Amino acid sequence: DSGVTQTPKHLITATGQRVTLRCSPRSGDLSVYWYQQSLDQGLQFLIQYYNGEERAKGNILERFSAQQFPDLHSELNLSSLELGDSALYFCASSGSSGLPTDTQYFGPGTRLTVL
Amino acid sequence: AQKVTQAQTEISVVEKEDVTLDCVYETRDTTYYLFWYKQPPSGELVFLIRRNSFDEQNEISGRYSWNFQKSTSSFNFTITASQVVDSAVYFCALSLTMDTGRRALTFGSGTRLQVQP
Repeated sequence: DSGVTQTPKHLITATGQRVTLRCSPRSGDLSVYWYQQSLDQGLQFLIQYYNGEERAKGNILERFSAQQFPDLHSELNLSSLELGDSALYFCASSGSSGLPTDTQYFGPGTRLTVL
Repeated sequence: AQKVTQAQTEISVVEKEDVTLDCVYETRDTTYYLFWYKQPPSGELVFLIRRNSFDEQNEISGRYSWNFQKSTSSFNFTITASQVVDSAVYFCALSLTMDTGRRALTFGSGTRLQVQP
């Protein structure tokens, strides 16, 4: 158990809908990262937050957004969902430096299925 | 281009065999970190090792060992006396600087290891 929690574990929804994925980092970690794992794209970095502020952005679509709250939990919002958004979404957290050179500990993931 | 290549898509071995998973990387950063993660069938990503570019010493942890060679830009992972529980997808990752100037973790495509009893 990495100490990172993600909810829900599974999510099934329809095209055009909007969903919110939730992540709680390990105790004491200030950075939260979001990744998408799909069969065709592999593991892709989406976005990083550090202590409530956006720190780095990867290949995140404009339909997707995230935020980190004062209690350091984070939410990833996916809207206008398409079939191709079906994937495993991981959250990871790391320690106080905010640098991705720190070890990132991953949550169990949320499997999103868009029908 | 900056990237991580894991050329072996799938490897199948019989229990107790030794197996090496290859990882080759490209980066323009002079300081960087390399990682290995394991993804068992249950789906979670489990951290195995982190190595910085200044530390070329090989590392051993039980049946696991890592060979970092900066000259060939490789960071290979060997499992000695493999066990069925080692069956998983293994990812090599590199922290690199994106075009935005920010660093991010980039993953290889993974190697699926099947250990047969």
